[in-house]
This record gives sequence, C-alpha cells and structure tokens, in this order.
Amino acid sequence: GESVGLHLPTLSVQEGDNSIINCAYSNSASDYFIWYKQESGKGPQFIIDIRSNMDKRQGQRVTVLLNKTVKHLSLQIAATQPGDSAVYFCAENTPLGNEKLTFGTGTRLTIIP
Amino acid sequence: DSGVTQTPKHLITATGQRVTLRCSPRSGDLSVYWYQQSLDQGLQFLIQYYNGEERAKGNILERFSAQQFPDLHSELNLSSLELGDSALYFCASSSFDGAPTDTQYFGPGTRLTVL
Repeated sequence: GESVGLHLPTLSVQEGDNSIINCAYSNSASDYFIWYKQESGKGPQFIIDIRSNMDKRQGQRVTVLLNKTVKHLSLQIAATQPGDSAVYFCAENTPLGNEKLTFGTGTRLTIIP
Repeated sequence: DSGVTQTPKHLITATGQRVTLRCSPRSGDLSVYWYQQSLDQGLQFLIQYYNGEERAKGNILERFSAQQFPDLHSELNLSSLELGDSALYFCASSSFDGAPTDTQYFGPGTRLTVL
C-alpha cells in the first residue's frame, strides 16, 4: 500500500547549525501532514502541522515545507540545540483511508555539541 | 507532559499469555487511538475509539481487542502473545472525531516484552 517514507534514517548536525529532515509521501489524496518528535523513552510529541492548501508554515525555530508536485515534505530546525536530538516522524492524513494517520519510519537527528 | 497517561510503563510476560494495557486520555478528549511501535519502526495505527464506540481500525490483529469505557479511558487487550508482539504500545487522544486538524497527543507508552 501507499506509505510515507523518509530519505535519511540518521542525521548528525553541529549544535547551532540548521537541520533539514525530509519526507516523501506517495498518496496524493493526503490533505494534512504532521511532524512529530520522539525523544528516547517518550511518546511522540506534536511539533508542527501543515494542510495541503499551504506550502509553508513556520513555528518557533521550525519550518515545514510542502511540495505537492513531488510529494515531498521537509522539516527545518533552525539553530539546533542538544534538546533537538530525537527521532522525527512525518505523518500524513488521507481522508479516505482507514488509518487516521500514516507514519513514516523516522529520522534520528543527533546534535553534536 | 501531554496529559495522556498509560499504565503500566513496562510489562514482561510469556508467550501465550494475555495482558491489558490501560490509557487515560487528556481531560475532555473524546477520541482514543492505539498504536504499536516495534524496534526502529514507525508507528502502526491499531484502532480508534470515539466516545465509547469504535471509529476506525488499522492493522490490528484478531488476537488484539480494545474498548473505551464511559469515563473515556481505554484498554487494549492482547492475547495469545507471541514474541513478535514485543513492542512499545502508545495511546493518543484528541478532542473530537479525528478530523484532519484534530491533533493527537501521545502518552508515554507501555513497553511490552514477551519472553
């Protein structure tokens, strides 16, 4: 079936630098996307979301970009901090799907002090 | 702290056994979702309840079942356990019926180990 996938399973970034985490999705009917952060031993934490009628949304130090043409989603984290080290999941909502959210396998982001 | 609570935090049991995982949603949330996360895997949606009724089903095995009680807490029952059932089980809750913008808040999870 269709699924959400990630380009890179691991990413290491120097503290203070910006990081970009990418996600590819294959279901063109998906209308809503979310990024979650999961720290070790904890449940996923909502970071930011974007609807399919938008191509960019900004939060505090985070920006999500959506390119529907190539079915690509990215999460940009500015001025990374040690606390940003975690696994990041993208998730999509497909209106007609049985599942409420389809999650990707995740990217592990490590911030190097 | 998301406001979603799950018990127990850890559970170790043997193959063939049956366990019950418990979830209390955030105050006021009507929907509860259950997810399974195996090692180095993403989250697999199992089932959703809304105000006591089953609303959506994902890749949930027939050996697994769930329910949501009148006080809105939920239980996930796993029976005839197999080694492959070892995983983290997360519960999430949201305000309403899982509309696209209905953010899900996750609990800390229950780590199940089947020996």
